[in-house]
Amino acid sequence: EVQLLESGGGLVQPGGSLRLSCAASEFTFSSYAMSWVRQAPGKGLEWVSAISGSGGSTYYADSVKGRFTISRDNSKNTLYLQMNSLRAEDTALYYCAGSNYDSIRFDYWGQGTLVTVSS
Amino acid sequence: DIQMTQSPSSLSASVGDRVTITCRASQGISNYLAWFQQKPGKAPKSLIYAASSLQSGVPSKFSGSGSGTDFTLTISSLQPEDFATYYCQQYNSYPPTFGQGTRLEIK
Repeated sequence: EVQLLESGGGLVQPGGSLRLSCAASEFTFSSYAMSWVRQAPGKGLEWVSAISGSGGSTYYADSVKGRFTISRDNSKNTLYLQMNSLRAEDTALYYCAGSNYDSIRFDYWGQGTLVTVSS
Repeated sequence: DIQMTQSPSSLSASVGDRVTITCRASQGISNYLAWFQQKPGKAPKSLIYAASSLQSGVPSKFSGSGSGTDFTLTISSLQPEDFATYYCQQYNSYPPTFGQGTRLEIK
């Protein structure tokens, strides 16, 4: 069974940085394209960023482009999201999600990690 | 960006009912459409991909249809565990986009 476990969330001041991690188990991680999807409190789902299985291709939502960086370490079965210049509107529950069938199909989800940007 | 519009935004139904949720894309997306179920405090769960294909382990009471711009999710014989929020999502092109959600409540 595919398992995804996010970590690294927390409270950070506006302008600060945070690095999220998503540890994968029970599947061939390198064959899965992975994404980060976020959900602001009481709101809907918003895609943030995606990365190919090899890590050679990355994609970003306009709202985070230039501030967030997605990466992966296939030797450690781990996905990352480096978040810089954080804003109040980045406050959300961040999920990692992925599929081995399509780069932006979300067959599997982690349980999420909460990021709160506030002074 | 492709806009995904779900209707209704909320829906009240009774146990045993059959309900249908619609999702419309602002441009054609072939069948690159997925449906998710989200319960309070939980991560979304994939129900359907490719507009009508059921994910492994998802009961056949869930069904999807459509192609192009108009899609539907039908849930038959509602049970208490089916009351949740449902989202559609297009994966035809970047950026992937979600509908605003349909909250299914017990009448």
